[in-house]
Amino acid sequence: DQQVKQNSPSLSVQEGRISILNCDYTNSMFDYFLWYKKYPAEGPTFLISISSIKDKNEDGRFTVFLNKSAKHLSLHIVPSQPGDSAVYFCAAINSGTYKYIFGTGTRLKVLA
Amino acid sequence: SQTIHQWPATLVQPVGSPLSLECTVEGTSNPNLYWYRQAAGRGLQLLFYSIGIDQISSEVPQNLSASRPQDRQFILSSKKLLLSDSGFYLCAWSGQPGEKLFFGSGTQLSVL
Repeated sequence: DQQVKQNSPSLSVQEGRISILNCDYTNSMFDYFLWYKKYPAEGPTFLISISSIKDKNEDGRFTVFLNKSAKHLSLHIVPSQPGDSAVYFCAAINSGTYKYIFGTGTRLKVLA
Repeated sequence: SQTIHQWPATLVQPVGSPLSLECTVEGTSNPNLYWYRQAAGRGLQLLFYSIGIDQISSEVPQNLSASRPQDRQFILSSKKLLLSDSGFYLCAWSGQPGEKLFFGSGTQLSVL
């Protein structure tokens, strides 16, 4: 049972344009969501997070949007840079538990 | 500041051999500790988590086990490795549920 889904395995975007990565979840008890960036053979690094009491959170070029009714969140990267090329994972947790559940990842390629 | 150490970085083991991967966290006390695995081309699968010494929860039935002999030490073990145990193993920690999850640099395990 995949509770967190990233239905797009890959995405290509031109440098300077917007990258939009999507994530869907099924568990309505999730109350905290995170995005991670991962390079090959390295551990994921934290990018940005959002609590379920908010619908938007910004940090520099990164913005996360949360639509609780649709059980959907997205990560916007503006402007996209070649260094953003990596695999992006979304994750969710019900803070009443201890389990961070990850999606399958989306490979972003930013073209120069 | 908090740091997480994971070793070794790479490991090649024959089928049927034992396994021991170690993870330690510095700069914090009573962290929640996690083991994840990323199989080739797949997402991050939660294997074990621990909320305290000798308190281990297993998420996936398999021939792996985890132990937490000290507050900031988490060990992943196997008595006999299978080919299907190959993958990228990641240790992680968090302070409280609903806070950021921080990852180690990972161990690439190849079982031949």
